[in-house]
Amino acid sequence: EVVMTQSPATLSVSPGERATLSCRASQSVASNLVWYQQKPGQAPRLLIYGASTRATGIPARFSGSGSGTEFTLTISSLQSEDFAVYYCQQYNNWPRTFGQGTKVETK
Amino acid sequence: QEQLVQSGAEVKKPGSSMTVSCKSSADTFSNYALSWVRQAPGQGLEWMGGIFPIIATPNYAQKFQGRVTITADESTSTVYMELSSLGFEDSAVYYCARELSTGIFDYWGQGTVVTVSS
Repeated sequence: EVVMTQSPATLSVSPGERATLSCRASQSVASNLVWYQQKPGQAPRLLIYGASTRATGIPARFSGSGSGTEFTLTISSLQSEDFAVYYCQQYNNWPRTFGQGTKVETK
Repeated sequence: QEQLVQSGAEVKKPGSSMTVSCKSSADTFSNYALSWVRQAPGQGLEWMGGIFPIIATPNYAQKFQGRVTITADESTSTVYMELSSLGFEDSAVYYCARELSTGIFDYWGQGTVVTVSS
């Protein structure tokens, strides 16, 4: 199965700053990559699919890039509601696999 | 807007089975696949399998083959996930999730907490 590796495990950022999260696949997944946001006690929320397409209602400060094995989620100016755990997930191969998550916390 | 409502929390004994349901509020139930994803305490997300109700042929992660059964009832717009031979490691929050397109989960249920305890 495709192993997804996210870095860093924890990212400490001040509100208003830029956050850059990385996701690497053990083999090419083309652009078949999704990013989710999850807050404590809540289900994941779809942010980005197709590596770079924002889901409905997702603010423009969230952007995704990359293809093949290297992907990036960028939050241009962190708002208080953005502090959460972010997961990447590939859907190029079965089984669908997720990264272990990056926690974005307040610096 | 789609809403997925899951059944309530459960406590199970090791070796027993569990069944979690996921009811869709949408008129388009048969038009989308639904998957099950679980999350152990403090851990990441793990895809277990899914089903396209109109086809009714499930697809399972190899890890759960032989232990998981996913079915769909179009008459009630409900998907079920049964997991057998439960171990302590199966304690987790189980989510159902609708697939916007294959492998893209756009709507999620509220989660069902399953605790395996002796």
